[in-house]
Amino acid sequence: QKEVEQNSGPLSVPEGAIASLNCTYSDRGSQSFFWYRQYSGKSPELIMSIYSNGDKEDGRFTAQLNKASQYVSLLIRDSQPSDSATYLCAVRLPYNQGGKLIFGQGTELSVKP
Amino acid sequence: SAVISQKPSRDICQRGTSLTIQCQVDSQVTMMFWYRQQPGQSLTLIATANQGSEATYESGFVIDKFPISRPNLTFSTLTVSNMSPEDSSIYLCSVGGRQGTDTQYFGPGTRLTVL
Repeated sequence: QKEVEQNSGPLSVPEGAIASLNCTYSDRGSQSFFWYRQYSGKSPELIMSIYSNGDKEDGRFTAQLNKASQYVSLLIRDSQPSDSATYLCAVRLPYNQGGKLIFGQGTELSVKP
Repeated sequence: SAVISQKPSRDICQRGTSLTIQCQVDSQVTMMFWYRQQPGQSLTLIATANQGSEATYESGFVIDKFPISRPNLTFSTLTVSNMSPEDSSIYLCSVGGRQGTDTQYFGPGTRLTVL
């Protein structure tokens, strides 16, 4: 069973703080990792993709990948109330195993003004 | 990213009936997928819609219950057949493989309620 694990939360942070969202995955052969944001009643929206070990920054968002530890995280700097949403971690299985995206259960983030 | 539309956006249906959901993309894409998101849950892949051939279904999903068509590289349909209240869910179309990337984008979803 290929798994992607996230803390379901809710994670509550004050406005302006750094929100840290974590995800672990079970398949060592996975090479592609994604973070999606889902507002209540809306469909998932792609925020970041990461493929190599290390950090990838895009505005206030930083994705971090550590393949040895099978760990991927998302940092949100200067959190805003508009960042309040559920964040989904997704891992793509190797293509020789079908290549499908496996989603975690999502972490609910609440940013308090 | 691709512009993806789905019809209908929501529907309320009676038990035992069927509903066909359409997914249209503004450009040709290699991969099209159908997901289900039950209330308070994450996304579950139903099937991969293959252009010109039968869809590839995930464990627990069968063609008789969820027939899928994909006549070309920009359009697909998912039918939810012989519906029961347990089929009440959000159904999402997703596309990927545009411009050689493996990023995947989601349509706005179809919210289905079965009475």
